[in-house]
Amino acid sequence: DAKTTQPNSMESNEEEPVHLPCNHSTISGTDYIHWYRQLPSQGPEYVIHGLTSNVNNRMASLAIAEDRKSSTLILHRATLRDAAVYYCILRAPPQFQGAQKLVFGQGTRLTINP
Amino acid sequence: EPEVTQTPSHQVTQMGQEVILRCVPISNHLYFYWYRQILGQKVEFLVSFYNNEISEKSEIFDDQFSVERPDGSNFTLKIRSTKLEDSAMYFCASRLGLATDTQYFGPGTRLTVL
Repeated sequence: DAKTTQPNSMESNEEEPVHLPCNHSTISGTDYIHWYRQLPSQGPEYVIHGLTSNVNNRMASLAIAEDRKSSTLILHRATLRDAAVYYCILRAPPQFQGAQKLVFGQGTRLTINP
Repeated sequence: EPEVTQTPSHQVTQMGQEVILRCVPISNHLYFYWYRQILGQKVEFLVSFYNNEISEKSEIFDDQFSVERPDGSNFTLKIRSTKLEDSAMYFCASRLGLATDTQYFGPGTRLTVL
C-alpha cells in the first residue's frame, strides 16, 4: 500500500465539525482512499471510502482533492463517541488485490472536548 | 446488523501453554483475517484466509501460529506455545467477497501471557 501521512493527534469540541487530513502524494491512479477508526478498547471500524468524487454516508464525509494527493475526513458534528484513532489507508481496487491485508499506520488520535 | 464475534474476551495463560482464540465471522463472508495489537502499538496483520487456505501471512505468523475453519461458522487462531511477547489484543475480521473491500472487525480477545 502507498504511504499516507496523518497528524498524530487532533482536538475538537463537541458538536463542532472536525476535519481530519491525510496526505498521500504517491497515490496511484487506481488506489481507493479508505478510512477506518478505532474507538477505545474496540476493534477497527470502517468509516468511509472513495476514489475521486467526494463521498457522504451516515458517519462522515470524505473530501478528495482534485489531484488526489490528499483527502479530508469530515465529521459534521462531533460527539464524545467520535473520540477514536482515525486511520487513512490506500487500497488497490478489490478485484485486483484478492485477500489483501489492511496496513495500519499510527493514525490520528482525535480527542473531543465536552 | 450482522457482526463478527470473538471469544473469549480475555484469556490469561501461562507461558508455554497453547491457546485457541475463536471467531465467528459474518455468515456469508468469504475472506477472513487475524490482526493483533500490542498495547500502545499499531494494529498488525497476522494472516488472511480464503477458500480454506492461508492466502497471506506476516513474519509474525511463524510456526507457533495456525488458523483453521473447522466448520461453516468458526475461524480459529491457535498459538501452540505462548510467549510473553504474544500478549496483545487479537482481532478477527471478515470481508464479504472480491468485489467489496470493507473488512469488519470483531471486538477482540485480550491475551495475557504470564
